[in-house]
Amino acid sequence: ETGVTQTPRHLVMGMTNKKSLKCEQHLGHNAMYWYKQSAKKPLELMFVYSLEERVENNSVPSRFSPECPNSSHLFLHLHTLQPEDSALYLCASSQEGLRQGANFPADYGYTFGSGTRLTVV
Amino acid sequence: GQSLEQPSEVTAVEGAIVQINCTYQTSGFYGLSWYQQHDGGAPTFLSYNGLDGLEETGRFSSFLSRSDSYGYLLLQELQMKDSASYFCAYVGGATNKLIFGTGTLLAVQP
Repeated sequence: ETGVTQTPRHLVMGMTNKKSLKCEQHLGHNAMYWYKQSAKKPLELMFVYSLEERVENNSVPSRFSPECPNSSHLFLHLHTLQPEDSALYLCASSQEGLRQGANFPADYGYTFGSGTRLTVV
Repeated sequence: GQSLEQPSEVTAVEGAIVQINCTYQTSGFYGLSWYQQHDGGAPTFLSYNGLDGLEETGRFSSFLSRSDSYGYLLLQELQMKDSASYFCAYVGGATNKLIFGTGTLLAVQP
């Protein structure tokens, strides 16, 4: 276990269904993220929450709706998805801050969950 | 624009050394990270280069040259368990978050 838990691991849903993906982190991090991973494509950043406030939304269609009720939990609500939305959805967390002695942000290392494999039929 | 380029696949034999290159293009850059992802698993953080030069962590080393917009991950004494996808990534975007390359699938053969 990485300290970031995602449920469910696998999900098959019809285009008219509504479902939610859940992510929980036990690392005390203050930022959480949703990424989409499709075959042969880079991980795509979807949403960023920092201190429970959404700070980035990368032009994601409105059929994806994130929710961050507290710093440990992150949800991705799904409705009326399309077959091309089938992918691995990864949640990650990190501790935002400045590397000591520098004045620029640094990558302390994102911790990822194992993802939810979503199939839209 | 913003992009990271990596070879799509690399094959090597057990015990060998392999280098996975990454070139990037971005308007703002703070450092280069590397992640490993086994099939069906979570990406895991390997290394970060905030400054030019070589960072060594056991069998893995990572290098960055800002002037060349280039970095690489060096894996030594390859083991079968090193078969995985390797992603370079940089901190970028509107709020300085991780942007990933397409990944390199490393196959280690006996």
